[in-house]
Amino acid sequence: QKEVEQDPGPLSVPEGAIVSLNCTYSNSAFQYFMWYRQYSRKGPELLMYTYSSGNKEDGRFTAQVDKSSKYISLFIRDSQPSDSATYLCAMNNAGNNRKLIWGLGTSLAVNP
Amino acid sequence: GAVVSQHPSWVICKSGTSVKIECRSLDFQATTMFWYRQFPKQSLMLMATSNEGSKATYEQGVEKDKFLINHASLTLSTLTVTSAHPEDSSFYICSANPPGSETQYFGPGTRLLVL
Repeated sequence: QKEVEQDPGPLSVPEGAIVSLNCTYSNSAFQYFMWYRQYSRKGPELLMYTYSSGNKEDGRFTAQVDKSSKYISLFIRDSQPSDSATYLCAMNNAGNNRKLIWGLGTSLAVNP
Repeated sequence: GAVVSQHPSWVICKSGTSVKIECRSLDFQATTMFWYRQFPKQSLMLMATSNEGSKATYEQGVEKDKFLINHASLTLSTLTVTSAHPEDSSFYICSANPPGSETQYFGPGTRLLVL
Protein backbone atom coordinates (compact mmCIF):
# COMPACT_ATOMS: atom_id res chain seq x y z
CA GLN A 1 0.00 0.00 0.00
CA LYS A 2 1.32 3.43 -0.92
CA GLU A 3 1.68 6.01 1.82
CA VAL A 4 -0.51 8.42 -0.13
CA GLU A 5 -3.32 7.34 -2.44
CA GLN A 6 -4.83 9.64 -5.03
CA ASP A 7 -7.14 8.71 -7.89
CA PRO A 8 -5.38 9.78 -11.12
CA GLY A 9 -8.69 10.33 -12.96
CA PRO A 10 -9.07 11.82 -15.49
CA LEU A 11 -11.88 13.94 -14.10
CA SER A 12 -13.98 15.92 -16.56
CA VAL A 13 -16.51 18.53 -15.42
CA PRO A 14 -18.49 21.35 -17.05
CA GLU A 15 -17.52 24.94 -16.42
CA GLY A 16 -19.02 26.27 -13.20
CA ALA A 17 -19.14 22.90 -11.45
CA ILE A 18 -17.83 22.26 -7.97
CA VAL A 19 -14.81 19.97 -8.11
CA SER A 20 -13.81 17.67 -5.27
CA LEU A 21 -10.31 16.18 -5.23
CA ASN A 22 -9.18 13.78 -2.52
CA CYS A 23 -6.23 11.93 -1.07
CA THR A 24 -5.97 9.32 1.63
CA TYR A 25 -2.86 8.48 3.57
CA SER A 26 -1.63 5.87 5.98
CA ASN A 27 1.00 7.62 8.11
CA SER A 28 -0.65 9.19 11.13
CA ALA A 29 2.51 11.24 11.77
CA PHE A 30 1.83 13.51 8.79
CA GLN A 31 1.10 17.04 9.97
CA TYR A 32 1.63 19.28 6.95
CA PHE A 33 -0.66 18.96 3.94
CA MET A 34 -0.31 20.68 0.61
CA TRP A 35 -2.08 20.87 -2.72
CA TYR A 36 -0.14 21.73 -5.84
CA ARG A 37 -1.41 22.50 -9.33
CA GLN A 38 0.70 21.51 -12.30
CA TYR A 39 0.06 22.60 -15.85
CA SER A 40 1.51 20.52 -18.65
CA ARG A 41 5.29 20.98 -19.00
CA LYS A 42 5.48 23.32 -16.01
CA GLY A 43 6.69 23.03 -12.44
CA PRO A 44 4.10 22.47 -9.68
CA GLU A 45 2.56 25.58 -8.15
CA LEU A 46 1.58 25.66 -4.47
CA LEU A 47 -2.17 26.19 -4.10
CA MET A 48 -3.00 25.45 -0.49
CA TYR A 49 -1.13 24.58 2.67
CA THR A 50 -2.74 23.28 5.86
CA TYR A 51 -1.22 22.34 9.15
CA SER A 52 -2.98 19.55 11.06
CA SER A 53 -6.76 19.17 10.84
CA GLY A 54 -9.25 21.78 9.73
CA ASN A 55 -10.38 23.86 6.80
CA LYS A 56 -8.69 26.61 4.88
CA GLU A 57 -10.25 28.79 2.23
CA ASP A 58 -8.58 30.94 -0.41
CA GLY A 59 -10.86 32.41 -3.05
CA ARG A 60 -12.50 29.59 -4.99
CA PHE A 61 -10.34 26.95 -3.29
CA THR A 62 -11.03 25.19 0.02
CA ALA A 63 -8.72 22.63 1.58
CA GLN A 64 -9.93 20.22 4.26
CA VAL A 65 -7.93 17.88 6.44
CA ASP A 66 -9.50 15.12 8.52
CA LYS A 67 -6.66 13.51 10.43
CA SER A 68 -8.96 11.06 12.20
CA SER A 69 -9.91 9.58 8.83
CA LYS A 70 -6.51 10.25 7.22
CA TYR A 71 -8.31 12.03 4.40
CA ILE A 72 -7.69 15.37 2.74
CA SER A 73 -9.75 17.21 0.15
CA LEU A 74 -9.49 20.15 -2.19
CA PHE A 75 -12.69 21.82 -3.39
CA ILE A 76 -12.80 24.17 -6.36
CA ARG A 77 -15.92 26.30 -6.68
CA ASP A 78 -17.14 27.83 -9.93
CA SER A 79 -14.54 25.86 -11.89
CA GLN A 80 -13.05 27.52 -14.95
CA PRO A 81 -11.37 26.07 -18.07
CA SER A 82 -8.14 27.62 -16.76
CA ASP A 83 -8.38 25.22 -13.79
CA SER A 84 -7.68 22.33 -16.17
CA ALA A 85 -4.45 20.86 -14.84
CA THR A 86 -3.08 18.05 -12.70
CA TYR A 87 -3.62 18.46 -8.97
CA LEU A 88 -1.15 16.80 -6.66
CA CYS A 89 -1.47 16.33 -2.93
CA ALA A 90 1.67 16.22 -0.81
CA MET A 91 2.35 15.86 2.86
CA ASN A 92 5.10 15.40 5.41
CA ASN A 93 5.82 15.25 9.10
CA ALA A 94 8.18 17.36 11.12
CA GLY A 95 11.67 15.93 11.24
CA ASN A 96 11.50 14.18 7.87
CA ASN A 97 14.08 16.56 6.44
CA ARG A 98 11.16 18.30 4.72
CA LYS A 99 10.81 15.51 2.17
CA LEU A 100 7.33 15.50 0.73
CA ILE A 101 5.33 12.34 0.13
CA TRP A 102 3.30 12.73 -3.04
CA GLY A 103 0.06 11.45 -4.44
CA LEU A 104 -0.03 10.41 -8.10
CA GLY A 105 -1.95 13.52 -9.09
CA THR A 106 -5.47 13.86 -10.49
CA SER A 107 -5.91 15.12 -14.03
CA LEU A 108 -8.79 17.62 -14.23
CA ALA A 109 -10.45 18.94 -17.38
CA VAL A 110 -13.00 21.76 -17.07
CA ASN A 111 -15.02 21.98 -20.26
CA PRO A 112 -16.44 25.30 -21.46
CA GLY B 1 5.82 34.56 -2.74
CA ALA B 2 9.01 32.55 -2.94
CA VAL B 3 10.50 32.28 -6.42
CA VAL B 4 12.68 29.50 -7.74
CA SER B 5 14.23 29.61 -11.18
CA GLN B 6 15.85 26.95 -13.35
CA HIS B 7 18.15 27.14 -16.30
CA PRO B 8 18.00 26.01 -19.01
CA SER B 9 14.30 25.44 -19.57
CA TRP B 10 15.05 22.80 -22.18
CA VAL B 11 18.14 21.13 -23.57
CA ILE B 12 18.89 18.65 -26.32
CA CYS B 13 22.19 16.80 -26.22
CA LYS B 14 23.95 13.87 -27.80
CA SER B 15 24.30 10.57 -26.02
CA GLY B 16 27.48 10.45 -23.92
CA THR B 17 27.67 14.15 -23.16
CA SER B 18 27.10 15.82 -19.77
CA VAL B 19 24.41 18.36 -19.04
CA LYS B 20 24.29 20.83 -16.16
CA ILE B 21 21.02 22.22 -14.80
CA GLU B 22 20.96 25.19 -12.42
CA CYS B 23 18.41 25.86 -9.71
CA ARG B 24 18.29 29.25 -7.98
CA SER B 25 16.21 30.62 -5.13
CA LEU B 26 15.72 34.24 -6.17
CA ASP B 27 14.29 35.92 -3.07
CA PHE B 28 15.28 33.65 -0.19
CA GLN B 29 18.16 31.56 1.02
CA ALA B 30 17.80 27.81 0.94
CA THR B 31 20.03 25.47 2.91
CA THR B 32 18.18 22.57 1.31
CA MET B 33 16.98 22.09 -2.24
CA PHE B 34 15.33 19.08 -3.82
CA TRP B 35 15.75 17.55 -7.26
CA TYR B 36 12.92 15.61 -8.89
CA ARG B 37 12.39 13.94 -12.21
CA GLN B 38 9.03 13.39 -13.81
CA PHE B 39 8.10 11.13 -16.70
CA PRO B 40 5.02 11.89 -18.83
CA LYS B 41 1.73 11.42 -16.99
CA GLN B 42 3.52 10.34 -13.82
CA SER B 43 3.99 11.94 -10.45
CA LEU B 44 7.15 13.55 -9.17
CA MET B 45 9.98 11.25 -8.18
CA LEU B 46 12.43 12.63 -5.67
CA MET B 47 16.00 12.02 -6.79
CA ALA B 48 18.04 13.71 -4.11
CA THR B 49 18.19 16.33 -1.41
CA SER B 50 20.84 18.97 -1.98
CA ASN B 51 22.45 20.33 1.18
CA GLU B 52 24.42 23.58 1.16
CA GLY B 53 28.02 22.97 2.11
CA SER B 54 27.74 19.20 2.37
CA LYS B 55 27.07 16.12 0.30
CA ALA B 56 23.71 15.51 -1.27
CA THR B 57 21.46 12.76 0.00
CA TYR B 58 20.32 10.45 -2.78
CA GLU B 59 17.16 8.39 -2.87
CA GLN B 60 17.38 4.65 -3.24
CA GLY B 61 18.10 3.61 -6.80
CA VAL B 62 19.49 6.96 -7.92
CA GLU B 63 23.11 6.75 -9.06
CA LYS B 64 25.12 9.45 -7.32
CA ASP B 65 27.97 9.20 -9.84
CA LYS B 66 25.58 9.76 -12.71
CA PHE B 67 23.58 12.61 -11.18
CA LEU B 68 26.12 14.94 -9.60
CA ILE B 69 24.70 17.56 -7.27
CA ASN B 70 26.57 20.62 -6.03
CA HIS B 71 25.02 23.11 -3.60
CA ALA B 72 27.76 25.71 -3.53
CA SER B 73 25.81 28.62 -2.11
CA LEU B 74 22.58 29.37 -0.25
CA THR B 75 20.84 30.30 -3.51
CA LEU B 76 22.25 27.87 -6.06
CA SER B 77 22.19 24.14 -6.57
CA THR B 78 23.29 22.37 -9.74
CA LEU B 79 22.46 18.95 -11.13
CA THR B 80 24.82 17.48 -13.69
CA VAL B 81 23.68 14.49 -15.69
CA THR B 82 26.92 12.78 -16.66
CA SER B 83 27.30 10.64 -19.78
CA ALA B 84 23.66 11.14 -20.63
CA HIS B 85 21.75 8.41 -22.44
CA PRO B 86 18.32 8.45 -24.09
CA GLU B 87 16.75 6.85 -21.01
CA ASP B 88 17.78 9.95 -19.03
CA SER B 89 15.42 12.03 -21.14
CA SER B 90 12.89 13.43 -18.71
CA PHE B 91 11.55 16.55 -17.02
CA TYR B 92 13.81 17.64 -14.16
CA ILE B 93 12.41 19.97 -11.51
CA CYS B 94 13.98 21.52 -8.44
CA SER B 95 12.36 22.94 -5.34
CA ALA B 96 13.33 24.70 -2.14
CA ASN B 97 11.85 25.64 1.24
CA PRO B 98 12.04 29.25 2.42
CA PRO B 99 13.51 29.50 5.93
CA GLY B 100 11.09 28.18 8.53
CA SER B 101 8.60 26.95 5.93
CA GLU B 102 7.40 23.39 5.44
CA THR B 103 6.22 24.11 1.92
CA GLN B 104 8.36 23.60 -1.16
CA TYR B 105 8.38 26.07 -4.02
CA PHE B 106 9.22 24.72 -7.42
CA GLY B 107 11.19 25.91 -10.39
CA PRO B 108 9.64 25.82 -13.86
CA GLY B 109 11.47 22.62 -14.77
CA THR B 110 14.04 21.61 -17.36
CA ARG B 111 13.13 19.34 -20.20
CA LEU B 112 16.07 17.13 -21.23
CA LEU B 113 16.15 15.21 -24.49
CA VAL B 114 19.11 12.93 -25.12
CA LEU B 115 19.51 11.81 -28.70
